[in-house]
Amino acid sequence: GENVEQHPSTLSVQEGDSAVIKCTYSDSASNYFPWYKQELGKGPQLIIDIRSNVGEKKDQRIAVTLNKTAKHFSLHITETQPEDSAVYFCAAILSISSGSARQLTFGSGTQLTVLP
Amino acid sequence: GAVVSQHPSWVICKSGTSVKIECRSLDFQATTMFWYRQFPKQSLMLMATSNEGSKATYEQGVEKDKFLINHASLTLSTLTVTSAHPEDSSFYICSARAPYAVIPGLAYEQYFGPGTRLTVT
Repeated sequence: GENVEQHPSTLSVQEGDSAVIKCTYSDSASNYFPWYKQELGKGPQLIIDIRSNVGEKKDQRIAVTLNKTAKHFSLHITETQPEDSAVYFCAAILSISSGSARQLTFGSGTQLTVLP
Repeated sequence: GAVVSQHPSWVICKSGTSVKIECRSLDFQATTMFWYRQFPKQSLMLMATSNEGSKATYEQGVEKDKFLINHASLTLSTLTVTSAHPEDSSFYICSARAPYAVIPGLAYEQYFGPGTRLTVT
């Protein structure tokens, strides 16, 4: 099955600096890589995702890059703000046509703290 | 779009009692729902996958008789923790998956509920 490793487990940055979280996956067939943000006491929220036919995707201050050859993908947050502080999870899945019930494989999470 | 709700958001129960947690997809139909549990400072652990109208598929090590899952409609799944014990105290999170693109560009993927904090005393 799929195995996803995530680093670092904790990350502290100064407000305004950039933060980068990296994940590697084991199953070369995985083709969908979402990132979730989880605030304390809340469920994970999808913040950005990328499919295997794309190398990079950006949404305002958040970007994700994917290297299929190396089987790793990264989350980049620029101009960090205190409200970016949360736990971030990467995930991987083989996403196929409707009707499939495949489950996400999550990374272990990164606690991001943005210091004011 | 793609809103998933859970009820209750938190519950405290006595050891030996049963607790039911509801998961609803509010603005889309979910053919598949997933139940996770999460211990403090840990990742999400998948407990079971449920498809509407059929029996749930449990992950290895999860007792199906203890964690009863019912996915009776395309918008509702329930998790019942039977004869709860203190070690069942955890954060339970459901997610719902649509068989179509709820949000353009984010097709076929899971949307998570806000979680339910269960404390068994």
